[in-house]
Amino acid sequence: KAGVTQTPRYLIKTRGQQVTLSCSPISGHRSVSWYQQTPGQGLQFLFEYFSETQRNKGNFPGRFSGRQFSNSRSEMNVSTLELGDSALYLCASTPGPEETQYFGPGTRLLVL
Amino acid sequence: KQEVTQIPAALSVPEGENLVLNCSFTDSAIYNLQWFRQDPGKGLTSLLLIQSSQREQTSGRLNASLDKSSGRSTLYIAASQPGDSATYLCAVHSGGGADGLTFGKGTHLIIQP
Repeated sequence: KAGVTQTPRYLIKTRGQQVTLSCSPISGHRSVSWYQQTPGQGLQFLFEYFSETQRNKGNFPGRFSGRQFSNSRSEMNVSTLELGDSALYLCASTPGPEETQYFGPGTRLLVL
Repeated sequence: KQEVTQIPAALSVPEGENLVLNCSFTDSAIYNLQWFRQDPGKGLTSLLLIQSSQREQTSGRLNASLDKSSGRSTLYIAASQPGDSATYLCAVHSGGGADGLTFGKGTHLIIQP
């Protein structure tokens, strides 16, 4: 089975712009979660989608949003980018909630 | 709010040694606990998942234990190899699921050849 894929792998944006990141889960997995990883804060949970519905949301501002499509692929969007949004964004998929999470390679976002 | 702490933050040992990584969490109401490894600049690789009703899980040279009542987990690595060098992360999935996985800051492990 192919693993979790994320596109793009690297991205450079400037402050004020918006960005959309994509995640394709492992075939058959219906739950997708997003995490932000920074050197200072470590890994922090952004949100989780299951069957196209946002199931949980972490403590991030409304500039961070996401969605999931009927084929379980997910996108996250960050609007009005700030320098502090520079991070590795990781996507994880599971067959269902509370099961083993399998992570993609991440998208590294640099905001200038 | 769940908090996860990993000790030590960094560890360097000669090849062949057995070693123990520690993880503690503040809220014992968890669904499961998962250990991951992360290589520099890469995503996370799942190593072991322990459900809240289990006491330990084993995979090859790795053994993870869980003591939910005391809020602790350990990852035991037997006969360490240079390829084991990575950052090891502990994550808990708490009851209620409102926060997704809560991660520790990790233990940066170096195995000297």
